Amino acid sequence: QQQVKQSPQSLIVQKGGISIINCAYENTAFDYFPWYQQFPGKGPALLIAIRPDVSEKKEGRFTISFNKSAKQFSLHIMDSQPGDSATYFCAASGGATNKLIFGTGTLLAVQP
Amino acid sequence: NAGVTQTPKFRILKIGQSMTLQCTQDMNHNYMYWYRQDPGMGLKLIYYSVGAGITDKGEVPNGYNVSRSTTEDFPLRLELAAPSQTSVYFCASSAPMNTEAFFGQGTRLTVV
Repeated sequence: QQQVKQSPQSLIVQKGGISIINCAYENTAFDYFPWYQQFPGKGPALLIAIRPDVSEKKEGRFTISFNKSAKQFSLHIMDSQPGDSATYFCAASGGATNKLIFGTGTLLAVQP
Repeated sequence: NAGVTQTPKFRILKIGQSMTLQCTQDMNHNYMYWYRQDPGMGLKLIYYSVGAGITDKGEVPNGYNVSRSTTEDFPLRLELAAPSQTSVYFCASSAPMNTEAFFGQGTRLTVV
């Protein structure tokens, strides 16, 4: 019940295209769903996050879509740029301790 | 503002040796975490702390120990290093109740 499943493992997108990464969770007690971006040799950094009371959140070119009934959420990167090339992790947490359960990551390569 | 600082950045240990990974944060966060990152596996929680003097096990605590004597510091101790502990270790901190977790730059540890 603690797992967060992420797909695809890797993704190649042309510059200007849309990148889509999907995650699914099992634990209905999760109430916070962030996406983290990680560049090589760096720690993960928060990109965008959503709570289950809304179905979509947009920040610039990045959008989270959230489907509570299906227990799924996804990250959409519009107009993908080479600078977006990184590893993306979805995560989920719930309860008082803020413990994040991470997906396995998606390596995104945006080709110029 | 330094955020979360980890030392060392790189370390090679021989089997059976011990070491302490240092982590300090200057954001006055109550919550601190240690994760390990292995290729294709995402980040797994080792230990966490919700305040000075309070620590608890995460998903993969075996072979590790922690202490939290101050709000700022959360060292991770490896007592008898094993090859299975070869990984990249990340320390993170956050304020309570599912807010952004800030990660350090990581420590790349190799046990040979």
